[in-house]
Amino acid sequence: GENVEQHPSTLSVQEGDSAVIKCTYSDSASNYFPWYKQELGKGPQLIIDIRSNVGEKKDQRIAVTLNKTAKHFSLHITETQPEDSAVYFCAASKGSSASKIIFGSGTRLSIRP
Amino acid sequence: GAVVSQHPSWVICKSGTSVKIECRSLDFQATTMFWYRQFPKQSLMLMATSNEGSKATYEQGVEKDKFLINHASLTLSTLTVTSAHPEDSSFYICSAVSGEGRTDTQYFGPGTRLTVL
Repeated sequence: GENVEQHPSTLSVQEGDSAVIKCTYSDSASNYFPWYKQELGKGPQLIIDIRSNVGEKKDQRIAVTLNKTAKHFSLHITETQPEDSAVYFCAASKGSSASKIIFGSGTRLSIRP
Repeated sequence: GAVVSQHPSWVICKSGTSVKIECRSLDFQATTMFWYRQFPKQSLMLMATSNEGSKATYEQGVEKDKFLINHASLTLSTLTVTSAHPEDSSFYICSAVSGEGRTDTQYFGPGTRLTVL
């Protein structure tokens, strides 16, 4: 089955700097890669996603890149702000309504003022 | 759009009692709902996949007789933890997938914190 690995497990960056979180997946049939942000005591919130027919997607300060050949995908947050502090999860699925989402282990991002 | 609610947000119960958690899709019809549990500082673990009008599919290691799932309508799924014990204390989160449009995107509820004394 699918296995998603995520690094780093913790990340601390200075406010205004960029943060990068990397993930790898094992199943070449996976074609949908969402990223979720989870704040303490809350459910995960979808922040951006990418499908395998696209190499990069950007939404304001957030961007995601996908390398299908290497089975790598990454989240980039630019101009980080204190409210970006949270746990971020990458995930992979085969992209149908009943497909399971396989989550990475999570990255705890802290933004230093 | 794509709002998922859960009720209750937290519950404390005595060992041996049963607890029901509701998951609702508020502004869309959900053909599929998923139930997860999350222990502190860990990732989400899928417990079961629930399709409207049919039996849930449980992940390996999840006791179907202990975690009863009912998906009676396109907007409501329930998870009942039967004969709860302290080791069942966890954060339970549901997600829902729309039957139209972006059928591969899971929208998550806010979670339910269960504490079993």
